Amino acid sequence: QQPVQSPQAVILREGEDAVINCSSSKALYSVHWYRQKHGEAPVFLMILLKGGEQMRHEKISASFNEKKQQSSLYLTASQLSYSGTYFCGTVTTDSWGKLQFGAGTQVVVTP
Amino acid sequence: NAGVTQTPKFRILKIGQSMTLQCTQDMNHNYMYWYRQDPGMGLKLIYYSVGAGITDKGEVPNGYNVSRSTTEDFPLRLELAAPSQTSVYFCASSYRDSYGYTFGSGTRLTVV
Repeated sequence: QQPVQSPQAVILREGEDAVINCSSSKALYSVHWYRQKHGEAPVFLMILLKGGEQMRHEKISASFNEKKQQSSLYLTASQLSYSGTYFCGTVTTDSWGKLQFGAGTQVVVTP
Repeated sequence: NAGVTQTPKFRILKIGQSMTLQCTQDMNHNYMYWYRQDPGMGLKLIYYSVGAGITDKGEVPNGYNVSRSTTEDFPLRLELAAPSQTSVYFCASSYRDSYGYTFGSGTRLTVV
């Protein structure tokens, strides 16, 4: 089952913060986060594993709440380069190997 | 290191034609995947492989076939192309299931 992402889009001024949420109706083994710029391939940011720690990529961090089957991506002090579409992907405990992506969150960072 | 290489980058097919999308990786990754991405949408898993000789269906396998005879190559075969298969196809690989995926640059396919 596809994870649900929110919000669908967010517009930020440079230096502002934002949070993107990803939730699943099933128990999760792992959560991936990717960023895709227009016309390009998705680029891996980080992975959070069941029982693992909060992860960080530059000023972007993520958390994983196993009990709620949710993950959040935190964009801190956003930079122009953070613009793009962010996708979460989830592997559930009953579908090992099958990473399913959410519909994406479009992030626009303005000067 | 080239990473994940996909060919061709663009292709126009007529309805009913067949083609093979090529994907090769030079990172010695065991796991390989095929996704399709429709405009403005997320990625849908078509097929995946956890090693040479092993493949399994993803969310949207109908109309596609794969094979994995070597660790490096994971071609995707489209038989009897239909307009619904118009999409951008991404191949990806990972060292194992708890590692991030490396994506190829994609193949933009149009079926007319």
